[in-house]
Amino acid sequence: AQRVTQPEKLLSVFKGAPVELKCNYSYSGSPELFWYVQYSRQRLQLLLRHISRESIKGFTADLNKGETSFHLKKPFAQEEDSAMYYCALRRAGGTSYGKLTFGQGTILTVHP
Amino acid sequence: DTAVSQTPKYLVTQMGNDKSIKCEQNLGHDTMYWYKQDSKKFLKIMFSYNNKELIINETVPNRFSPKSPDKAHLNLHINSLELGDSAVYFCASSGRGGLNTEAFFGQGTRLTVV
Repeated sequence: AQRVTQPEKLLSVFKGAPVELKCNYSYSGSPELFWYVQYSRQRLQLLLRHISRESIKGFTADLNKGETSFHLKKPFAQEEDSAMYYCALRRAGGTSYGKLTFGQGTILTVHP
Repeated sequence: DTAVSQTPKYLVTQMGNDKSIKCEQNLGHDTMYWYKQDSKKFLKIMFSYNNKELIINETVPNRFSPKSPDKAHLNLHINSLELGDSAVYFCASSGRGGLNTEAFFGQGTRLTVV
């Protein structure tokens, strides 16, 4: 079974402060990890994936297989970063092809 | 052009009614999904179709019946609606390509059962 855990339901920071959204996973195989973002009343959209190793909107995330973590980080938070963030895991092949398992989500609020 | 579109965006209905939510994608993807986001914002997969064939059914009650008339459409029909069905339902699609395919989501349908 695969599981994704985001321990923080709510996270508040001030503008310009660093932010880290935590994500831990449990999976016996080789996972593919994602971060999705949902701005207020908008659709869920992909923020970044671990295989791309890219920075999007200043956010980065590194897959740590030893700690089974995929934390999302940004050095200087902006007010427009306020949103719901979901960490998700996927494996390929078989009947689970394409299926995303999501964490519980973290609501990030960036105060001015 | 909207990649994944759902209708309606909002749906308010009474307990016991039957309702449908439609989903269409114009991305040429082979796989489509329905996800449910409950009141606590927890997002969980319900169904997955690949080339019109059901490949994932995550212990969803029989009252929920997905229908895929073609690769571009995946509709969700719900019979005998219950209060607990109130949620936001998201349709999504993804293409072929193994590990490198991104899932695109619709804007969601907010279902309220009263």
